[in-house]
Amino acid sequence: AQSVTQPDIHITVSEGASLELRCNYSYGATPYLFWYVQSPGQGLQLLLKYFSGDTLVQGIKGFEAEFKRSQSSFNLRKPSVHWSDAAEYFCAVGARGYQKVTFGIGTKLQVIP
Amino acid sequence: ETGVTQTPRHLVMGMTNKKSLKCEQHLGHNAMYWYKQSAKKPLELMFVYSLEERVENNSVPSRFSPECPNSSHLFLHLHTLQPEDSALYLCASSQDWEGNTGELFFGEGSRLTVL
Repeated sequence: AQSVTQPDIHITVSEGASLELRCNYSYGATPYLFWYVQSPGQGLQLLLKYFSGDTLVQGIKGFEAEFKRSQSSFNLRKPSVHWSDAAEYFCAVGARGYQKVTFGIGTKLQVIP
Repeated sequence: ETGVTQTPRHLVMGMTNKKSLKCEQHLGHNAMYWYKQSAKKPLELMFVYSLEERVENNSVPSRFSPECPNSSHLFLHLHTLQPEDSALYLCASSQDWEGNTGELFFGEGSRLTVL
């Protein structure tokens, strides 16, 4: 069965600092990987996705993520965090032909001035 | 309107009440989903409808009853709920169920409180 681990429940960064959110997955074949963001009082919005090809993927709002098969990781990064990035971030894994997407528990990001 | 719309945004109900959550998608998608989001737990997939047929039911208690009258509308009927059912209920849609790559479009959720 597929699974997703987000080891950091809560992260605090200063505005302008760089950010890396960790995600590790477990899946038998090549996974499809996603990062979603949920702002307070909102639903989830897709930030970026990896299906195949270039292991470094660019997303919206200046985010990027790198797929590392050897480490079963798909970490999310941003070079300079803005106060509006404060939200909860969810990593998810899926697979072609099988719609059951498994989500991680989420990482809550706090941005301080 | 665009995207996925959920109503009501907030609902408080007693354990003996009957209420419904509504979801409408304006994306022309063929698959719709109900998820339950509780604090400190991963999103739980409850139901999936593809072309108005239920294709997934993840051992959800019968006090939750979904309905999909057409590909644009999805309901979750609630009756005799328990306090532990208090959560954020998210509706989502995707282009298709079979062969889909897992990209989901979510509504803003309905925050349910059961007293």
